[in-house]
Amino acid sequence: EPEVTQTPSHQVTQMGQEVILRCVPISNHLYFYWYRQILGQKVEFLVSFYNNEISEKSEIFDDQFSVERPDGSNFTLKIRSTKLEDSAMYFCASSEGWGYGYTFGSGTRLTVV
Amino acid sequence: DAKTTQPNSMESNEEEPVHLPCNHSTISGTDYIHWYRQLPSQGPEYVIHGLTSNVNNRMASLAIAEDRKSSTLILHRATLRDAAVYYCIDVNSGGYQKVTFGTGTKLQVIP
Repeated sequence: EPEVTQTPSHQVTQMGQEVILRCVPISNHLYFYWYRQILGQKVEFLVSFYNNEISEKSEIFDDQFSVERPDGSNFTLKIRSTKLEDSAMYFCASSEGWGYGYTFGSGTRLTVV
Repeated sequence: DAKTTQPNSMESNEEEPVHLPCNHSTISGTDYIHWYRQLPSQGPEYVIHGLTSNVNNRMASLAIAEDRKSSTLILHRATLRDAAVYYCIDVNSGGYQKVTFGTGTKLQVIP
């Protein structure tokens, strides 16, 4: 069964450093998403991406965050200057389109120290 | 986004059917009803979705009320592996169909 692949599975970074989280969505999917989950809390929507541009973003997704689909297969989330409160699990998801379910990756655990 | 209402927790005995309810009091006419689950320490996992008719797949069945104000996810035979948090979500067909998670129902399966 097709999978969404995320790398790395765990990243530790120092406060203020830039991190890039990587995702390979399912190849025929057109919609891409990033979510995060702080330990013990709800899964929160960050951003959706379609046709090479952001289609919607939450208030969490401020100027420190950016997304990119650099080569037609990868989908990345960049956090420019990490803060302690960015520590969370980050999930990538993709969808074939309207009326289809989402497939989630297994996540990247980001720890900011 | 439309908000759904689910019980915080439920228990089931292993190998028995489980009916997980959801209320969709503010669902719009073209919103899809999605169900996802999250096993401990894992990412969300798609379970099933539907619009108006009941749906079956290899994981579960989805029963949707005629007025679409409620739905029920049916696990036909619960296993220990089905212990998870289950989320029902109304997915807006307008825009880019963002899935917004609530707090879900934590299902405990008793051996």
